[in-house]
Amino acid sequence: NAGVMQNPRHLVRRRGQEARLRCSPMKGHSHVYWYRQLPEEGLKFMVYLQKENIIDESGMPKERFSAEFPKEGPSILRIQQVVRGDSAAYFCASSPTGETEAFFGQGTRLTVV
Amino acid sequence: DAKTTQPPSMDCAEGRAANLPCNHSTISGNEYVYWYRQIHSQGPQYIIHGLKNNETNEMASLIITEDRKSSTLILPHATLRDTAVYYCIVRVAPTNAGKSTFGDGTTLTVKP
Repeated sequence: NAGVMQNPRHLVRRRGQEARLRCSPMKGHSHVYWYRQLPEEGLKFMVYLQKENIIDESGMPKERFSAEFPKEGPSILRIQQVVRGDSAAYFCASSPTGETEAFFGQGTRLTVV
Repeated sequence: DAKTTQPPSMDCAEGRAANLPCNHSTISGNEYVYWYRQIHSQGPQYIIHGLKNNETNEMASLIITEDRKSSTLILPHATLRDTAVYYCIVRVAPTNAGKSTFGDGTTLTVKP
């Protein structure tokens, strides 16, 4: 059973471009969580999704950031018009239900140049 | 979720027990203590959790004081691969199991 898969592992974008980060949860997991870790800082919760629904987006920046978890396919974290401050590691975690422990992927490191 | 306080860094000799403390004096009766670690550049890894009884698994032991205001994570025989940032988190379980508030953690360095 493969773990949580995130791709790409490293992503470089120029200021103003769009970044799309993908997260494939573990098999049988329908709950996905996204976190951001800025350089030299701790992990910050961003959003919690269940298939086709956003359950909790209290940690999402109000502009430029969006997330989805369609019925088929991976969860996508989308950042529009990236700025240098968006450079960070973005981690995804998945769990089979909202009441069991979540497992983290290896992250996507976004660098905005 | 209750706030936790951890020392910023600790060293441990390889093969010795690593004891990582955590203070959570404002913990509520229905909040659990969770421990995770993050090895450099990797995703966080769940270690163990408990409510009020001491817990042990293949990775570590968790000792929670009787008043539940503090706890200690014990790695019984630390290896170089245990060098990581260790996070103590207090959270109401089991709902929203994947939503946690990570603080600064303790950077554990295991030395040969």
